[in-house]
Amino acid sequence: QVQLQESGSGLVRPSQTLSLTCAVSGGSISGGGFSWNWIRQSPGKGLEWIGYVYDSGRTHYNPSLKSRVTISEDRAKNQFSLKLNSVTAADTAVYYCARVSITLVWGVITHRDAFDIWGRGTMVTVSS
Amino acid sequence: SYELTQPPSVSVSPGQTVSISCSGDRLEDQFVYWYQQKPGQSPLLVIRQNNERPSGIPERISGSKSGNTATLTISGTQAMDEADYYCQAWDRSTAVFGGGTKLIVL
Repeated sequence: QVQLQESGSGLVRPSQTLSLTCAVSGGSISGGGFSWNWIRQSPGKGLEWIGYVYDSGRTHYNPSLKSRVTISEDRAKNQFSLKLNSVTAADTAVYYCARVSITLVWGVITHRDAFDIWGRGTMVTVSS
Repeated sequence: SYELTQPPSVSVSPGQTVSISCSGDRLEDQFVYWYQQKPGQSPLLVIRQNNERPSGIPERISGSKSGNTATLTISGTQAMDEADYYCQAWDRSTAVFGGGTKLIVL
């Protein structure tokens, strides 16, 4: 079955760029029918959706983070990535990658389903 | 921005039934999803599209929706059900999570 595994730097300096990768195994991100998402959870807090990539690199981001976020896919490596720039202590969190089934009609998402597969998460601390 | 509202915590005695609510202004027109998260673990999907249980989720966990309020119900609650529960909906292209409810099994 499909599995997701996050990796990347666990410590990022303030004002720098957070970079994470999610490796997908047991399935291909090129197959279509899915969006590939990033979600984070600050210590002791709830879940915050960051954004997703789908359909050969198209993206959509949380409006609250849009100015600082880039999500991209690498089909050759079967993985997708998150970059969050100008980080502060408020970006300290466990970062999860997750899959969502989507329905595309003429390139437009007409239906989004649940976050059905999640990675185990990776803790990122922003500190000098 | 759109918000989903959940109670911070609910408590239940083993064997009893407990319900967790999730309310949102546009929930009537949206599918609701529920996730269970235990300490140190990733969230686990327990209800999709308001009331469907994914494979492997016990029948004692159920979901419903009426108007702008969705409800997760656990019947015959067991100690293993103690966890944080999050509701989620798609508001246009954006995923929105509720603040989460801690279920305490007394």
